[in-house]
Amino acid sequence: SQKIEQNSEALNIQEGKTATLTCNYTNYSPAYLQWYRQDPGRGPVFLLLIRENEKEKRKERLKVTFDTTLKQSLFHITASQPADSATYLCALGGGSNYKLTFGKGTLLTVNP
Amino acid sequence: EAQVTQNPRYLITVTGKKLTVTCSQNMNHEYMSWYRQDPGLGLRQIYYSMNVEVTDKGDVPEGYKVSRKEKRNFPLILESPSPNQTSLYFCASSQGFGYTFGSGTRLTVV
Repeated sequence: SQKIEQNSEALNIQEGKTATLTCNYTNYSPAYLQWYRQDPGRGPVFLLLIRENEKEKRKERLKVTFDTTLKQSLFHITASQPADSATYLCALGGGSNYKLTFGKGTLLTVNP
Repeated sequence: EAQVTQNPRYLITVTGKKLTVTCSQNMNHEYMSWYRQDPGLGLRQIYYSMNVEVTDKGDVPEGYKVSRKEKRNFPLILESPSPNQTSLYFCASSQGFGYTFGSGTRLTVV
């Protein structure tokens, strides 16, 4: 069955450092991968989408890579700030029905 | 403002009492979906709809119903709620590039 794993449940880093979150998947061939941010008790917010034929995508301080051979995506936040503290979810999709399958998320805490 | 609106935000109900959670989007999206989120289990899809009058089961549809009579609305119906349906529910819509989620409905069934 399809499986999505995000590297750790929690990640703590110091302000100003680069946060790197990992998303691995098995038994899946997604056409694209998405990353979302979720704050406590709130709905996830879409951040970035990367397609299977793209290696890297950037948006401001965010960078996503997608390696379909390794079946892995890396999500980087450079120059992290305490305001970046949240849970980050990866999601895989690509079927004709727009369905997204989500990982369980990584709670990122950026310490001042 | 482009948004997905869910109501109510919080709901406590008793076992067996039918309830409806409403969801409305103002972006003219064709695709809408319901998810539930539980600790340790993440987001799981309940039902989705590709367009008006077209709905289909997600991964955990048991105990739920939906309808899509208009493009903007996609209500979630619990005909006979049970305590294992206590959860945080999210409605989402999309036009194929990222989902827009509602703020969530925290449901407690006692």
